[in-house]
Amino acid sequence: NAGVTQTPKFQVLKTGQSMTLQCAQDMNHEYMSWYRQDPGMGLRLIHYSVGAGITDQGEVPNGYNVSRSTTEDFPLRLLSAAPSQTSVYFCASSATGQVSNQPQHFGDGTRLSIL
Amino acid sequence: AQKVTQAQTEISVVEKEDVTLDCVYETRDTTYYLFWYKQPPSGELVFLIRRNSFDEQNEISGRYSWNFQKSTSSFNFTITASQVVDSAVYFCALKETSGSRLTFGEGTQLTVNP
Repeated sequence: NAGVTQTPKFQVLKTGQSMTLQCAQDMNHEYMSWYRQDPGMGLRLIHYSVGAGITDQGEVPNGYNVSRSTTEDFPLRLLSAAPSQTSVYFCASSATGQVSNQPQHFGDGTRLSIL
Repeated sequence: AQKVTQAQTEISVVEKEDVTLDCVYETRDTTYYLFWYKQPPSGELVFLIRRNSFDEQNEISGRYSWNFQKSTSSFNFTITASQVVDSAVYFCALKETSGSRLTFGEGTQLTVNP
């Protein structure tokens, strides 16, 4: 089972460059989200989506854009990379997001370094 | 606003010792869900357990057990007879039914030494 697939696994960027982190899930989950993980800060929510065509901001959305054109895909875009965006990024999905006790399934993460 | 606190940043034990990881949460909702995730050195996040706020029964799964106490807003995790393979970062998380957000604690780094 593929589950949640993130690409790339590693990336190094220069300040000011843009890039897209890809996330795809094959479980037909409505809810998808992006987190960043920084030392001592746990996982912080960047953006999330409760279904195709619907996205919303999380705790730390600045500098990131998302879109949800299909149920399966939820890409995260860095418009102009900054060193403060150096982090490990996780994509997650779950069956339903609004009123749910379903656990989120996580991808393996993307380790991003901004020089 | 919801908040999860894991006061123990790092814990180090010797193999076969029992260890308890603390989790304290804050929420205004009367119905919510609590989770524990494990992040081994390889980096992936592994779901361990889910607990509904209206179910205060403790749960045991092999060497793992969870103690949920609504009166003290705590959801502690105990590993009995720890093993080296238990070495990981453990995250406690909270999800309110009024929203979609899953809020994580800062995590506890558990090191089990042989």
